[in-house]
Amino acid sequence: GAGVSQSPSNKVTEKGKDVELRCDPISGHTALYWYRQRLGQGLEFLIYFQGNSAPDKSGLPSDRFSAERTGESVSTLTIQRTQQEDSAVYLCASSLGTSAYNEQFFGPGTRLTVL
Amino acid sequence: ELKVEQNPLFLSMQEGKNYTIYCNYSTTSDRLYWYRQDPGKSLESLFVLLSNGAVKQEGRLMASLDTKARLSTLHITAAVHDLSATYFCAVVYGNKLVFGAGTILRVKS
Repeated sequence: GAGVSQSPSNKVTEKGKDVELRCDPISGHTALYWYRQRLGQGLEFLIYFQGNSAPDKSGLPSDRFSAERTGESVSTLTIQRTQQEDSAVYLCASSLGTSAYNEQFFGPGTRLTVL
Repeated sequence: ELKVEQNPLFLSMQEGKNYTIYCNYSTTSDRLYWYRQDPGKSLESLFVLLSNGAVKQEGRLMASLDTKARLSTLHITAAVHDLSATYFCAVVYGNKLVFGAGTILRVKS
């Protein structure tokens, strides 16, 4: 079946501009995660959505970052006033169930380059 | 705050040789994942280790978990070029996975 999809696959933007990244989770997966992967590094947790519960935003690095998800469908990650240090691959994952104990399935990522 | 450390961070191996990647973590957790990432690609799940003493094998890769020592190992047997990739361990911590920095594996012919 269809996996997690993300768009765009690549995004180049100028410093100071806003960007929106999109994630389509696997159908039926109630949990959705956003991670950031800087060049040559592991993944950093950003935010977690579980159904209609309040999201866990503890990993968002600044108030320029925000994310939304309506129900158990698409999520968007928005970065306002982008900075060069925001350049990274942003990965989305989804899983069944209610905790990180359920295996996460990752999308292909969006490579963001801030000039 | 949970810390996850992998070593080595870079490993260059000859084909046919054996080696082990280590993953240490700082706080109790009873679930650990190993992922593979090819250049420019997303993460592929390799193993889920659920309990102390768990051992799983798939082809030339074998993973184990010692929750008392807070240590997982990924052992590579008779390496082949196709195993060249970056390998990550990740530990469950609350609502999230905490990842190690990754081990870049290069298998040379």
